[in-house]
Amino acid sequence: SQQGEEDPQALSIQEGENATMNCSYKTSINNLQWYRQNSGRGLVHLILIRSNEREKHSGRLRVTLDTSKKSSSLLITASRAADTASYFCATDSRGGNNRLAFGKGNQVVVIP
Amino acid sequence: DAGVIQSPRHEVTEMGQEVTLRCKPISGHNSLFWYRQTMMRGLELLIYFNNNVPIDDSGMPEDRFSAKMPNASFSTLKIQPSEPRDSAVYFCASSRDRDYFSYEQYFGPGTRLTVT
Repeated sequence: SQQGEEDPQALSIQEGENATMNCSYKTSINNLQWYRQNSGRGLVHLILIRSNEREKHSGRLRVTLDTSKKSSSLLITASRAADTASYFCATDSRGGNNRLAFGKGNQVVVIP
Repeated sequence: DAGVIQSPRHEVTEMGQEVTLRCKPISGHNSLFWYRQTMMRGLELLIYFNNNVPIDDSGMPEDRFSAKMPNASFSTLKIQPSEPRDSAVYFCASSRDRDYFSYEQYFGPGTRLTVT
């Protein structure tokens, strides 16, 4: 079953604005990852945050992880039209077998 | 590196026919995953190999689906016989996992399967 659950499901913003997505999970994890999927393409890895990390940055991306609340957020700053995509979180369960559990995805539309 | 390679990119077949999807993972990666993506069910893990050995096939829908990984550079997913409800995009992904810690997965472009 899918462990990651993103919220909200769909987001429409103007270019230049920030976009924030949330993800919750149920079990203890080794790490949490965020992926992007452009229409008709495969998923592309964006960022990985380990369970002992609280915040991580990569370019215009900022990810936070709160293991006490079993939740994570992805912030895209100064959004661009090219950021239009679906965004998925995925968790790697501690003690698991290396499989990732993907959420249902957030669709983000950035209006030029 | 060329990334994960999948073939064919598109497949249209009639119900009852056999379908074989192919995947070449990134060289040096020791884990390979087959996923299926539909609007209704999202992204589902079908089967996962580690060092060419199937580790978890609990996501394989039924006996009509089978997967093999004869060597580190090639895997197949076969559906026989195919049914219209198998229509989906099938992704192959690979990663370099170590000691039960998953690293990022690299996805192929997918195979869009349509069964009529």
